[in-house]
Amino acid sequence: GNSVTQMEGPVTLSEEAFLTINCTYTATGYPSLFWYVQYPGEGLQLLLKATKADDKGSNKGFEATYRKETTSFHLEKGSVQVSDSAVYFCALSELGTGNQFYFGTGTSLTVIP
Amino acid sequence: KAGVTQTPRYLIKTRGQQVTLSCSPISGHRSVSWYQQTPGQGLQFLFEYFSETQRNKGNFPGRFSGRQFSNSRSEMNVSTLELGDSALYLCASSLVFPREAFFGQGTRLTVV
Repeated sequence: GNSVTQMEGPVTLSEEAFLTINCTYTATGYPSLFWYVQYPGEGLQLLLKATKADDKGSNKGFEATYRKETTSFHLEKGSVQVSDSAVYFCALSELGTGNQFYFGTGTSLTVIP
Repeated sequence: KAGVTQTPRYLIKTRGQQVTLSCSPISGHRSVSWYQQTPGQGLQFLFEYFSETQRNKGNFPGRFSGRQFSNSRSEMNVSTLELGDSALYLCASSLVFPREAFFGQGTRLTVV
């Protein structure tokens, strides 16, 4: 079946530190991969996506590369800001499962000044 | 372009009651999915509707049901509420392509 495993949190970083949140997946076919972010009291917002192997998704300084050989989609940012404090979810969606998304458990990030 | 709108934002219900939540998708999106989010279980898929038909269903009891109208608006219903149904219920709308889910702010349901 399909599943997503992501790094347990919480993660606490100082402002301008480097961020990596690990995400690996299991899929029966060829999924599209996503990172979503959730701010307190809000729904999920799409941060970035990649639809095929070696694609790099990027947005707001965040990047993730679709690695089929390691079934991974790790999220990185070179210099985090206080405003990046949120919960980050890795997700996959696969053709043949409608528009069902499979989410990881979420990683809480707190950035301190 | 308006986003996904969920109403109400907050609900408090008593055990045994039923509740109906509403979701208006982004204009042009025909797929609407529902998710339950809890601290213990994370995000769990409830069901997906596409062109008024349930296309996919998660592993939830029959007390959880939904429907979609011809204008793509969707409702989900939970009957005989239990304390464990307390959660944030998120609705997402999608195009067939590209495959992105756009989420509403959710309905926070508290069962007392």
